[in-house]
Amino acid sequence: TQLLEQSPQFLSIQEGENLTVYCNSSSVFSSLQWYRQEPGEGPVLLVTVVTGGEVKKLKRLTFQFGDARKDSSLHITAAQTGDTGLYLCAGARTGTYKYIFGTGTRLKVLA
Amino acid sequence: EAGVTQSPTHLIKTRGQQATLRCSPISGHTSVYWYQQALGLGLQFLLWYDEGEERNRGNFPPRFSGRQFPNYSSELNVNALELEDSALYLCASSVDFGSYEQYFGPGTRLTVT
Repeated sequence: TQLLEQSPQFLSIQEGENLTVYCNSSSVFSSLQWYRQEPGEGPVLLVTVVTGGEVKKLKRLTFQFGDARKDSSLHITAAQTGDTGLYLCAGARTGTYKYIFGTGTRLKVLA
Repeated sequence: EAGVTQSPTHLIKTRGQQATLRCSPISGHTSVYWYQQALGLGLQFLLWYDEGEERNRGNFPPRFSGRQFPNYSSELNVNALELEDSALYLCASSVDFGSYEQYFGPGTRLTVT
């Protein structure tokens, strides 16, 4: 059973377009992290969201944690080719110390 | 500040052999995590060490084992290698037991022939 489902699984867009990636669960998480991974490298931590309803902005990236802390979204404005990569959400369910990664969204931004 | 380091970068073994992978966390970090990422797939949690103790283990057979040393570096051992063990093995560290923000190393690419 995959506790963190991401959608879409694959996304190919043109440079300059906007996109949103979703991370959903039926479980409550104490916090969620978003990472970006490039081929053959380790994931790089982008952000942590902790409070329900929290919105964090990182330049063109906007991260939101759902009010019930069961889901999160990542919105990229005016995508650039450098945004290409595998985006992963991850977290530990409240009351556990089992850290899990989402299924991933593979983004390709075309010039 | 140096990031998480892993060695070796690449490792080629034959079926049935043993592999040892090493990880040095960021200075000051006490928790170390190991993940397996098969080609094109997601990260599968293997092991979590904190302060020298194994805190949690993923759904992997006992031939996957490891340890954490007093200086917080860690070692992952895979015995009786199988072809399907071929993958990128990633190590991550976090500040302590309660922090979920993980910082990853570049990984060790293990190939079993």
